[in-house]
Amino acid sequence: DAGVTQSPTHLIKTRGQHVTLRCSPISGHKSVSWYQQVLGQGPQFIFQYYEKEERGRGNFPDRFSARQFPNYSSELNVNALLLGDSALYLCASSLSPERLYEQYFGPGTRLTVT
Amino acid sequence: AQRVTQPEKLLSVFKGAPVELKCNYSYSGSPELFWYVQYSRQRLQLLLRHISRESIKGFTADLNKGETSFHLKKPFAQEEDSAMYYCALSGFLGSQGNLIFGKGTKLSVKP
Repeated sequence: DAGVTQSPTHLIKTRGQHVTLRCSPISGHKSVSWYQQVLGQGPQFIFQYYEKEERGRGNFPDRFSARQFPNYSSELNVNALLLGDSALYLCASSLSPERLYEQYFGPGTRLTVT
Repeated sequence: AQRVTQPEKLLSVFKGAPVELKCNYSYSGSPELFWYVQYSRQRLQLLLRHISRESIKGFTADLNKGETSFHLKKPFAQEEDSAMYYCALSGFLGSQGNLIFGKGTKLSVKP
């Protein structure tokens, strides 16, 4: 298993545009979480999905949305991009939401907004 | 407010010296505490969690509820320990459903 995979690796967008980031969890993992990591900071929780349902949402504006598909992969969408959205976006998967100690992180997608 | 504080952005020690990476937390309830590590050009990965009480790669961490701390310690640092270390907390057994991370401490072990 390649572990958690994310695409694309890097992305450059202009203010006002929208972006879609993708995540494929480890096989058998049904829970996916998204984190934003701004340079110099620790990861900040955005969303958690389990069995295609939203289980948790962090303190992010409605411009951020996500969904999980029947195969447990997930997309993070960000509309009306701002310069402050520039960050590394991490996806993590686990068997279930309770098993955070078995949460595995992907390599991240580096988003640059100009 | 739920918060994790790592007071040191950078900690530099010589090989063989003891290491202590500080972590303090604020949480109403029973937290579960973790240390994550990110080596250069690698993914963020779990180092240890307080419930397991294990020693991983020579590192240990004890939860001190009175001082609300979860400091990471190693008696003799190695060059391969150089990495970014993040302290994180969650509700007990994932009851909160997400991790709250500190800002991280960069550990540099010099030869």
